Amino acid sequence: QKEVEQDPGPLSVPEGAIVSLNCTYSNSAFQYFMWYRQYSRKGPELLMYTYSSGNKEDGRFTAQVDKSSKYISLFIRDSQPSDSATYLCAMSPTGNQFYFGTGTSLTVIP
Amino acid sequence: GAVVSQHPSWVICKSGTSVKIECRSLDFQATTMFWYRQFPKQSLMLMATSNEGSKATYEQGVEKDKFLINHASLTLSTLTVTSAHPEDSSFYICSADTFDSGANVLTFGAGSRLTVL
Repeated sequence: QKEVEQDPGPLSVPEGAIVSLNCTYSNSAFQYFMWYRQYSRKGPELLMYTYSSGNKEDGRFTAQVDKSSKYISLFIRDSQPSDSATYLCAMSPTGNQFYFGTGTSLTVIP
Repeated sequence: GAVVSQHPSWVICKSGTSVKIECRSLDFQATTMFWYRQFPKQSLMLMATSNEGSKATYEQGVEKDKFLINHASLTLSTLTVTSAHPEDSSFYICSADTFDSGANVLTFGAGSRLTVL
């Protein structure tokens, strides 16, 4: 079983839709949870991170962590064509080792 | 925020030659940097962890003689792909461990696309 599971998609939504991206994990020691956005042929950029459980909101983006279910989500409200990218979840037990999902490819159609 | 600069962004070389990729931390010191390889439509594959002033730690299956990593200063790590072959063609990305508002996160470079002819 992989440490981090993420549906690779692809996911295609109309502009303005709410997007839900998810990852599950098996290691209960994970405490740091991150979402990265990667445009084609570019390095990943950090979107959001959360420590332990709970929600975090930043503009149109909301990250949720449910440690009891070992499940994290990223919600994108009012999605825009510029949100079209691959979204990677990442996790770490200590902040020194990082485990990545395979990434979900998202396309927002104008 | 922290910025990691990676160069070159795209390089084409002939089979058998060596290619060096540089990764620099701007405005911060990075004692640890990570090198990843990414195939099309696949996730990041950690190749090695680069520690300033000491030998890199390679992941299982990664040839250390093939992928030479040097972390000579707190702001620079280099990856040299030696005697490159077409199967080495890939997207290589470096990252640095940074501290952002109370948490350790990875900050990535823009990546380097290597094409070996």
